[in-house]
Amino acid sequence: EVQLVESGGGLVQPGGCLRLSCAASGFPYSYYAMYWVRRAPGKGLEFVSAISDNGGSTHYANSVKGRFTISRDNSEKTLYLQMGSLRTEDMAVYYCAAGSTGGIDYWGQGTLVTVSS
Amino acid sequence: QSALTQPPSASGSPGQSVTISCTGTSSDVGGYNYVSWYQQHPGKAPKVMIYEVSKRPSGVPDRFSGSKSGNTASLTVSGLQAEDEADYYCSSYAGSNFVVFGGGTELTVL
Repeated sequence: EVQLVESGGGLVQPGGCLRLSCAASGFPYSYYAMYWVRRAPGKGLEFVSAISDNGGSTHYANSVKGRFTISRDNSEKTLYLQMGSLRTEDMAVYYCAAGSTGGIDYWGQGTLVTVSS
Repeated sequence: QSALTQPPSASGSPGQSVTISCTGTSSDVGGYNYVSWYQQHPGKAPKVMIYEVSKRPSGVPDRFSGSKSGNTASLTVSGLQAEDEADYYCSSYAGSNFVVFGGGTELTVL
């Protein structure tokens, strides 16, 4: 059974930092590109960041570029998102996702990030 | 990094068919056969309904079908059922590990 389990969400003040993790199992993790996608309250899904299967290539949405860093550990089958300089508009449910064919094949259940003073 | 364009809402009666469009550009929808559709019920994770324009994952009813013409992809739900009421999102590969999403369509079963 494929599982993507996010952790690390919570309440953080504006300007603060948070690190999200995603533990993967049930599929050949090291062959999949990995993504972070978020859904803010009242809004739709938004691509946040992606990393290639070997970690050699990363991509960020303009809205988070320079503030967020995606990384992965293929030996531990874990994906990370280091978030800094957080803003109220970053408040959302963050989903970890895996894809192999130009789209997303698997989704996690999400972790809530609340940015508030 | 513009989002793909979807209608904000769609509706149909049980048993009817409804089609949701997803318009992009030649850099995403029109440039790759990597359009996916996701269903999301409130409080739940998105679920893949269609991938690579028209392929259905195992377990997805054949009432769901996808197509593409030029820069516009479409999801058709035939024989609408109450459980189909949800938000639907399209996505397209846009190169360099970048996936762009549509703004989402709220499907109501009347």
